[in-house]
Amino acid sequence: DQQVKQNSPSLSVQEGRISILNCDYTNSMFDYFLWYKKYPAEGPTFLISISSIKDKNEDGRFTVFLNKSAKHLSLHIVPSQPGDSAVYFCAASAMSGNQFYFGTGTSLTVIP
Amino acid sequence: EAGVVQSPRYKIIEKKQPVAFWCNPISGHNTLYWYLQNLGQGPELLIRYENEEAVDDSQLPKDRFSAERLKGVDSTLKIQPAELGDSAVYLCASSSFSGTGHTEAFFGQGTRLTVV
Repeated sequence: DQQVKQNSPSLSVQEGRISILNCDYTNSMFDYFLWYKKYPAEGPTFLISISSIKDKNEDGRFTVFLNKSAKHLSLHIVPSQPGDSAVYFCAASAMSGNQFYFGTGTSLTVIP
Repeated sequence: EAGVVQSPRYKIIEKKQPVAFWCNPISGHNTLYWYLQNLGQGPELLIRYENEEAVDDSQLPKDRFSAERLKGVDSTLKIQPAELGDSAVYLCASSSFSGTGHTEAFFGQGTRLTVV
């Protein structure tokens, strides 16, 4: 049972435009959400996180939005750069446990 | 600060042979994870350690997989015997407890296993 879902396997965006990656979850106990970025042949790298007490967290070009009622979060990258081309994984965890549940990833391609 | 170190990076073995992976977490991180990542999928937890104790191994196929974390630092994951379906990337990650109880996990580069 996939508790974290990324329904878009791939996304292509022009350089300089906004990239929006989406993620849905089903477990209402999740209260901490993360985005990881993965380049080929490397492990996932932590990008940004958000606690359920917030609805937005911003770090430079990256902003994560959380809609708890819809059980949905999104990652916005503005402006997108060719170096952002990678696979992005959404992950979630609950205070009651310390396990991270991952989505299946979205492959982002930023076209120069 | 050194990151999570895994070895080997790549391993090719014949089916029914044993294989072992090693992980050195970030210094001071008490939580260590082994994840399995199949092609086109997200990482899936195999086992989680809090210091020396395996606190979540419900997804570990215990008939062929074993893991240990001696002295609460380095960890090894073993498969014996390996099957064709075990071909995947094995990721090690570590994290530390924060005041909020939430912290991100830091991943190693992974070991890509190919069973032929």
